[in-house]
This record gives sequence, structure tokens and C-alpha cells, in this order.
Amino acid sequence: QKEVEQNSGPLSVPEGAIASLNCTYSDRGSQSFFWYRQYSGKSPELIMSIYSNGDKEDGRFTAQLNKASQYVSLLIRDSQPSDSATYLCAVGNNRLAFGKGNQVVVIP
Amino acid sequence: DTEVTQTPKHLVMGMTNKKSLKCEQHMGHRAMYWYKQKAKKPPELMFVYSYEKLSINESVPSRFSPECPNSSLLNLHLHALQPEDSALYLCASSPEGQETQYFGPGTRLLVL
Repeated sequence: QKEVEQNSGPLSVPEGAIASLNCTYSDRGSQSFFWYRQYSGKSPELIMSIYSNGDKEDGRFTAQLNKASQYVSLLIRDSQPSDSATYLCAVGNNRLAFGKGNQVVVIP
Repeated sequence: DTEVTQTPKHLVMGMTNKKSLKCEQHMGHRAMYWYKQKAKKPPELMFVYSYEKLSINESVPSRFSPECPNSSLLNLHLHALQPEDSALYLCASSPEGQETQYFGPGTRLLVL
């Protein structure tokens, strides 16, 4: 049973601050890791993918992967109200296992 | 272009109706997926098609019947659904050899 855990939310952050989201996974054989953003009533949108240990930056988003500790994180710098959404962590090893999601609320 | 399209956007059906959901992608992806998502829950995998063949059925009730007529098109046929089947139905596709999945906008289904 592949499990992906995301710490409970929601996470409230002031506009301009850094939002930090964490995700742990149980399957050591997992090879690919993703963060999806989902606005209320919409479908998940891929925002980051990461495959090797370390950091990967894309604009205001940074994904961090530590396979030894089996965690992946997402940092959102300079948070904007438009970042208010649910963020889903997904871990792949032949199929994607999703975490329950973290709701982020950016307060203007 | 990473676009997956789904029709219809919304669907209301009675428990005795038969309807179909349609998903299309023109990115040359060879894997396509159906997910069901209830409010405030993550997507739940229903079916996976790989190279137009059903490769995974997550023990989905037979009232849901998938079909992959060609490499660009995926259908989900619905029959005799229950009110608890009301949900957002998501289609996704992924490039060959990759696990990255791109989701369509979904069909919001209400079963009365």
C-alpha cells in the first residue's frame, strides 16, 4: 500500500511571505514526485516535478526532494492571493499516489 | 501544448439513464487515465489505458465502462449510476515513458 502523507491544513500565510508544504511517502521505490495545484471546483494543474535529490526551482516555486528521508516539499516564495488553492503531492512508481492535499490561504 | 479536453463540463443524470463522458488529447500521449474526485478528497484512480489497452481497473463497479477507441480518445460510459457516484470525473494523460500526468478540466456529474 503506497501512502502519501501531507500535514494537515489549512495553511494561512500573509501576502509576500513564504508558504512551506511538506509531504512524506512510504514507498522507497518511488521514482517521480509531483506537486499539483487545484483551485476550488477546478482540476489539478501540474506545477512542479522532481526526480532527483536536491532542490528544483521554477519561478516562485521550489521543490525539494530527500529520498533517504522519504520526503518532498514545496516552497512558494512571495505568496500571492492567486496562490490560494489546495496543493496535492503525488508520488509515482507505475502509478500516482496522491496525498490528501494542503489548503493554502494567502491573506492580503 | 499540454491540453486534455473533456466533455461535457457538467452532466445531470437520473439513475436509469445511460450517458458517456469523453476525453481527448492530441499530444501523442499513450497512457490515459480516468479518476473520480469527491469534494475535499484527492483524485481516486479508476482506470488506466496504455497503448489503447486497459491495463488497470481499480475494482470499479461495472456501471462504469471505459473505452479507448483510438490513441487520442477515451470514453467513460455510465449506466444505472447511484447518487453517491456524483463527483468530478477527471481524465489525464501522460507521455510515453513518463509518469507526469496532465489533467483535463473534468466533468462534474450529478446523479439524481
